[in-house]
Amino acid sequence: AQSVTQLGSHVSVSEGALVLLRCNYSSSVPPYLFWYVQYPNQGLQLLLKYTSAATLVKGINGFEAEFKKSETSFHLTKPSAHMSDAAEYFCAVSDGNYQLIWGAGTKLIIKP
Amino acid sequence: EAGVVQSPRYKIIEKKQPVAFWCNPISGHNTLYWYLQNLGQGPELLIRYENEEAVDDSQLPKDRFSAERLKGVDSTLKIQPAELGDSAVYLCASSLGTGGTDTQYFGPGTRLTVL
Repeated sequence: AQSVTQLGSHVSVSEGALVLLRCNYSSSVPPYLFWYVQYPNQGLQLLLKYTSAATLVKGINGFEAEFKKSETSFHLTKPSAHMSDAAEYFCAVSDGNYQLIWGAGTKLIIKP
Repeated sequence: EAGVVQSPRYKIIEKKQPVAFWCNPISGHNTLYWYLQNLGQGPELLIRYENEEAVDDSQLPKDRFSAERLKGVDSTLKIQPAELGDSAVYLCASSLGTGGTDTQYFGPGTRLTVL
């Protein structure tokens, strides 16, 4: 069975600092991995996805994530945080079928 | 391109009352999903449609929940009767296909409060 663990329900960084949101997965088959962002009172929006091509995936709004098979990780990073990045971020895994298995989410707080 | 549309955005009802949520997916998207999202958690799939057929409703509590997708476009999710534990955000999503790499596009959700 697949599962996703997001370390830290809340992450706080200063504006301009590095953003690092952690995601570890378990999967018995090569996974497809996704990061979604949810702004307050809005639906989820795809940031980026890994589909077995390049291990470093670039997404929207300056975010990127690196697939590391040996560590079963897919951490999300951004070099410099902006106030507009404050939102909740969800990592999800798929085994190639339609169903996504979601993490519990990490709320990103940006300090001025 | 218009996104996934959901209505209402907010709904407050008393327990044992019925409630219905409506979703209009992105034009041309054959696959439609209904999710439930509790506070501080990721979405949980309730039902998935391919065109007008419900191909996975294994997580739908069929004693009180029902859904339909007439003509393979709009969809309605109903709860009757609602219970206190049904308070959550109900998300609708759509995708072009059903593969594991297909991006799911989400609507803004309906926040249900059952009193």
